[in-house]
Amino acid sequence: AQSVAQPEDQVNVAEGNPLTVKCTYSVSGNPYLFWYVQYPNRGLQFLLKYITGDNLVKGSYGFEAEFNKSQTSFHLKKPSALVSDSALYFCAVRANNAGNMLTFGGGTRLMVKP
Amino acid sequence: DSGVTQTPKHLITATGQRVTLRCSPRSGDLSVYWYQQSLDQGLQFLIQYYNGEERAKGNILERFSAQQFPDLHSELNLSSLELGDSALYFCASSAPTGPDEQFFGPGTRLTVL
Repeated sequence: AQSVAQPEDQVNVAEGNPLTVKCTYSVSGNPYLFWYVQYPNRGLQFLLKYITGDNLVKGSYGFEAEFNKSQTSFHLKKPSALVSDSALYFCAVRANNAGNMLTFGGGTRLMVKP
Repeated sequence: DSGVTQTPKHLITATGQRVTLRCSPRSGDLSVYWYQQSLDQGLQFLIQYYNGEERAKGNILERFSAQQFPDLHSELNLSSLELGDSALYFCASSAPTGPDEQFFGPGTRLTVL
């Protein structure tokens, strides 16, 4: 079975400061990892993914994530937060031998204050 | 805009009724996935179809069923509706090959009264 944990329900950060949204996962086999963002009354938008290769993955809107196999983590980061980054963020995982079924974390609400 | 379309946007119905949610994947995508998002259960995978065939099943109730048609659009049928079925239902699609990301539609908000 695969699972994802996002330990923080909410993260508060001031505009211009760096942000981190945490994610840890559990899968059998090598993981494929994804981050999605959801704005109010909208569907999920893909941000970035880790499949293989460089542990630091760069994605949309200046976001990046670092894959850490030993800590089974895939934390989302951004060097300088914007108020418009305020949204709900989901981490998702699937094993490379488990079809395409994604397992999502519970989501983390990011609040960026001016 | 992800290229995935879902209709209707909102649906209000009564307990015991049956509804059908419709999804059209991105052009060229063969896989369609259905997810349910609710406050208490979070975002849960329901079912996947690939080119008309059921490929994977998640936490889908027996009262729910889905199918994918030859033109690749998909329908999710929810029957004998209960109050607890009120949720956002998302459809997603992905490219035919590789571990590609899934692209999500805007969702259908179902309210069961």
